[in-house]
Amino acid sequence: DADVTQTPRNRITKTGKRIMLECSQTKGHDRMYWYRQDPGLGLRLIYYSFDVKDINKGEISDGYSVSRQAQAKFSLSLESAIPNQTALYFCATSDPGDRGWKTQYFGPGTRLLVL
Amino acid sequence: ELKVEQNPLFLSMQEGKNYTIYCNYSTTSDRLYWYRQDPGKSLESLFVLLSNGAVKQEGRLMASLDTKARLSTLHITAAVHDLSATYFCAVDSNFGNEKLTFGTGTRLTIIP
Repeated sequence: DADVTQTPRNRITKTGKRIMLECSQTKGHDRMYWYRQDPGLGLRLIYYSFDVKDINKGEISDGYSVSRQAQAKFSLSLESAIPNQTALYFCATSDPGDRGWKTQYFGPGTRLLVL
Repeated sequence: ELKVEQNPLFLSMQEGKNYTIYCNYSTTSDRLYWYRQDPGKSLESLFVLLSNGAVKQEGRLMASLDTKARLSTLHITAAVHDLSATYFCAVDSNFGNEKLTFGTGTRLTIIP
């Protein structure tokens, strides 16, 4: 079984709709992240969380919100989706005690299309 | 603001040839990562480079870091088709926070 899972894997929605993307991990990591990937722009950080009570904005948080329901779960919401939020969304986790490497491990991604 | 630039953005090379991908970054960093992404897939960690002069090798890939020049390279030796993918470097400039800034990626195509 995959260590980092994301649901749904693909989603089509309409402008103005509220949607939630979910991320679960079995790696036991405290730190979780949400990124979006657009062609030609690499990955950009939306939000990150170092534990259940610690949520931080990333580079491009406008139009997004998050919820850290448990150590293993981190959800991303689009309150009112717009077409320029069409992108590939990745969840990632990391372990601060990982021998100093602090590698981030990525989920399979959610492909979102906003019409 | 940290900026991370990769070049080239696209690279098409023949099997058996050698080539290098470059990653420049604009501010001090305490660690640099290389990731691989296959089409439609997630990102796979390749290397973590922690200090100046660090060199890591895995198979036909070798990564190095020069913190003084703010430059990392990913060298491909005797390329094979299986190495076709997009390669990203990512820089953690905020000590202890693991906020990564990614380069735009290098799409590598190995031609038989």
